Amino acid sequence: DAGVIQSPRHEVTEMGQEVTLRCKPISGHDYLFWYRQTMMRGLELLIYFNNNVPIDDSGMPEDRFSAKMPNASFSTLKIQPSEPRDSAVYFCASSLWGGDEQFFGPGTRLTVL
Amino acid sequence: GENVEQHPSTLSVQEGDSAVIKCTYSDSASNYFPWYKQELGKGPQLIIDIRSNVGEKKDQRIAVTLNKTAKHFSLHITETQPEDSAVYFCAASKNSGAGSYQLTFGKGTKLSVIP
Repeated sequence: DAGVIQSPRHEVTEMGQEVTLRCKPISGHDYLFWYRQTMMRGLELLIYFNNNVPIDDSGMPEDRFSAKMPNASFSTLKIQPSEPRDSAVYFCASSLWGGDEQFFGPGTRLTVL
Repeated sequence: GENVEQHPSTLSVQEGDSAVIKCTYSDSASNYFPWYKQELGKGPQLIIDIRSNVGEKKDQRIAVTLNKTAKHFSLHITETQPEDSAVYFCAASKNSGAGSYQLTFGKGTKLSVIP
């Protein structure tokens, strides 16, 4: 397996633009997690899915953030409109079950100017 | 919610020496404690984990200890090598029921192994 795949790897956009981050989990994994990593706040869980259903989105900072998982092999994290404070590295991770090892993707480095 | 404190934030050791990173957690219901290693430009990777039904676990040069009473756990790396240089994160989670899990991470420790 290729592991968790994220795209794009780098994204530079201007304030107010819509940003869509993409994730393909490891095949057969039932859980998918979205994290944000910054120097100030470290690694924060934004939202996670079990069998494509959102379980906990309490970490989503604002209504500007939304996430979807239309099928078992694809998820998106959307920010609209984007703001400079959204600049961070966004990671997607997947696991067989919730209390098991999470496999992280390489991340998307987002810069909002 | 859960709060995980990690110390130190930076650690420099000579090659061949041991390194110890410590974490404390606040929620006594937490029962899963993984450690992740993150190299520059990459996502975190699990290196070892421990569950609350054991007090210690070892894998070659890496060991983790857990003290449930004191609510702290530690990572021990022996015979450090330059390739051990990275940022290490501890985390804690519990099963909140209905398939609900949430990993809370510490702020990380940047380990530098000096050749």
